[in-house]
Amino acid sequence: NAGVMQNPRHLVRRRGQEARLRCSPMKGHSHVYWYRQLPEEGLKFMVYLQKENIIDESGMPKERFSAEFPKEGPSILRIQQVVRGDSAAYFCASSPLGGAIIQETQYFGPGTRLLVL
Amino acid sequence: SQQGEEDPQALSIQEGENATMNCSYKTSINNLQWYRQNSGRGLVHLILIRSNEREKHSGRLRVTLDTSKKSSSLLITASRAADTASYFCATVYSGAGSYQLTFGKGTKLSVIP
Repeated sequence: NAGVMQNPRHLVRRRGQEARLRCSPMKGHSHVYWYRQLPEEGLKFMVYLQKENIIDESGMPKERFSAEFPKEGPSILRIQQVVRGDSAAYFCASSPLGGAIIQETQYFGPGTRLLVL
Repeated sequence: SQQGEEDPQALSIQEGENATMNCSYKTSINNLQWYRQNSGRGLVHLILIRSNEREKHSGRLRVTLDTSKKSSSLLITASRAADTASYFCATVYSGAGSYQLTFGKGTKLSVIP
């Protein structure tokens, strides 16, 4: 059973370009969470999605950031017009049952390290 | 802010010694979890302790939780060089948004062979 997959593992973008980060949850998991980790910091929650639904995006910056989890395919975190401050590690986690089961473990992917030049 | 705080920020010990890391948090929680992150890698879930539990063991790991003090500790016994990593506590808030993990800044543990 493969774990959470993220790609690319490393992404370099110039200011103003778009970054697309992909996350495939573990098999059988239909709940995805995105977190951002700045250097020397802990992870910060960004968004929680179920298939075709955004449940909570309270941690997402209001502009330039969007996330989706389509019926088929991976979850995508999209950052438009990237700026240097977007440089960070972006982690995706998945769980089988989601927020209703509040003691559930989230399984993390290896992360995508975004560097904005 | 719900964010937890780990201390110490960095810890260096000799192989074979015990390592203790502490975590404090601010709000009522449903559970508290400890994760390990090796440099440049993803997070590995270590242990989850529920708010009605006081102590939990897993192999060389021992976690305690004191909800009255809003604090937890992670003890790694008989440390090994392979335990070198950053350790994060993460809390699950007991109210709305109770799926979010709220992480502290972590403790960097170095185990010297």
